[in-house]
Amino acid sequence: SAVISQKPSRDICQRGTSLTIQCQVDSQVTMMFWYRQQPGQSLTLIATANQGSEATYESGFVIDKFPISRPNLTFSTLTVSNMSPEDSSIYLCSVVTSGRWYEQYFGPGTRLTVT
Amino acid sequence: DAKTTQPNSMESNEEEPVHLPCNHSTISGTDYIHWYRQLPSQGPEYVIHGLTSNVNNRMASLAIAEDRKSSTLILHRATLRDAAVYYCILRDAGGTSYGKLTFGQGTILTVHP
Repeated sequence: SAVISQKPSRDICQRGTSLTIQCQVDSQVTMMFWYRQQPGQSLTLIATANQGSEATYESGFVIDKFPISRPNLTFSTLTVSNMSPEDSSIYLCSVVTSGRWYEQYFGPGTRLTVT
Repeated sequence: DAKTTQPNSMESNEEEPVHLPCNHSTISGTDYIHWYRQLPSQGPEYVIHGLTSNVNNRMASLAIAEDRKSSTLILHRATLRDAAVYYCILRDAGGTSYGKLTFGQGTILTVHP
């Protein structure tokens, strides 16, 4: 299994500012993902965080708005840039470990409110 | 990606079995059927997955129709802790979609004491 921690757990930010969310895993993982869950909605994949290279973004998400870093096999950051109230969501980090391709682990999420 | 259809909500009584249905009529031959659940204020957690045969684990059972166009997640004895949103997800084990999970709206399961 993999234990995932995220920082911060929640934050309230003003529009126009940026917030960086950290994801730390207790073991090396093969794949890391970032999801967004808007209020009352299901989860939407933002991007796949690739180690040592640019993240792979899903349709509707761009690097300028959601820059992602993954410097090693256990850590990744997601930045929400130039925030607006529409960015108020829960942001979740998720990982897949080697040998258990079928099981994706999720972090507790970061609850972001933009005022 | 092939889509899934689930009821918006279901209710159950504690200690009774729960059958959560999922329709996936456009499933491809390489799609695995995954179930995740999301407890209140938590990230989703893996429940079970299968390809063609029925599967059992400590959490639940997965019954897959012979034509694979539908499946049912079975909780044998529901507890209050099982109250969650249950997601039925089709996932291709390989190719460019490897690792990606496409979440639908899921089924909200309410368990009554």
